[in-house]
Amino acid sequence: DGGITQSPKYLFRKEGQNVTLSCEQNLNHDAMYWYRQDPGQGLRLIYYSQIVNDFQKGDIAEGYSVSREKKESFPLTVTSAQKNPTAFYLCASSWTGNIQPQHFGDGTRLSIL
Amino acid sequence: SQQGEEDPQALSIQEGENATMNCSYKTSINNLQWYRQNSGRGLVHLILIRSNEREKHSGRLRVTLDTSKKSSSLLITASRAADTASYFCATDKNTGNQFYFGTGTSLTVIP
Repeated sequence: DGGITQSPKYLFRKEGQNVTLSCEQNLNHDAMYWYRQDPGQGLRLIYYSQIVNDFQKGDIAEGYSVSREKKESFPLTVTSAQKNPTAFYLCASSWTGNIQPQHFGDGTRLSIL
Repeated sequence: SQQGEEDPQALSIQEGENATMNCSYKTSINNLQWYRQNSGRGLVHLILIRSNEREKHSGRLRVTLDTSKKSSSLLITASRAADTASYFCATDKNTGNQFYFGTGTSLTVIP
């Protein structure tokens, strides 16, 4: 079945530690996105990529980094510079061009120990 | 910001009743989408309405768009317990395929 797989489902981070969240898609989509969702709030865009080896900052990129070495994969690293990393992280993908619905993974919940 | 805002924040209805939730936004858009999120899961795309459309149907879903009032509504008819979820509107940013997501309406359908 085609879809987006995020792993792990739950992740714990110690203070000062970097962690990497995985996102893999087999939908052959060119565009991929990372969002952060806090309780009672909407989604906020962290980074997005329209093509391999290229990505742009979203609204809240500080303290995060990404790479796009393969079309299928768009890992997100939460660095120690992100002072409030506890959140639900969602990865999405879509075809490029305007007016394309986004397909989401089931998220990774990151907590601080 | 151009973020959409849903109203009400929470809605509780009996199974079989209709559920209406609204979305307001601040600036002009090309399209508006509605998504559904079950607890602890990702979002699922429900329906897209373009700025030149006024109404769209998909199964038990009916979406309206009033660009003069900068608002949209999502109607779910004959609700079921399985419709219990959060519903989000998303408006385009006019920069590629990026969207502003609202804060969501939490719908509870009581069996």
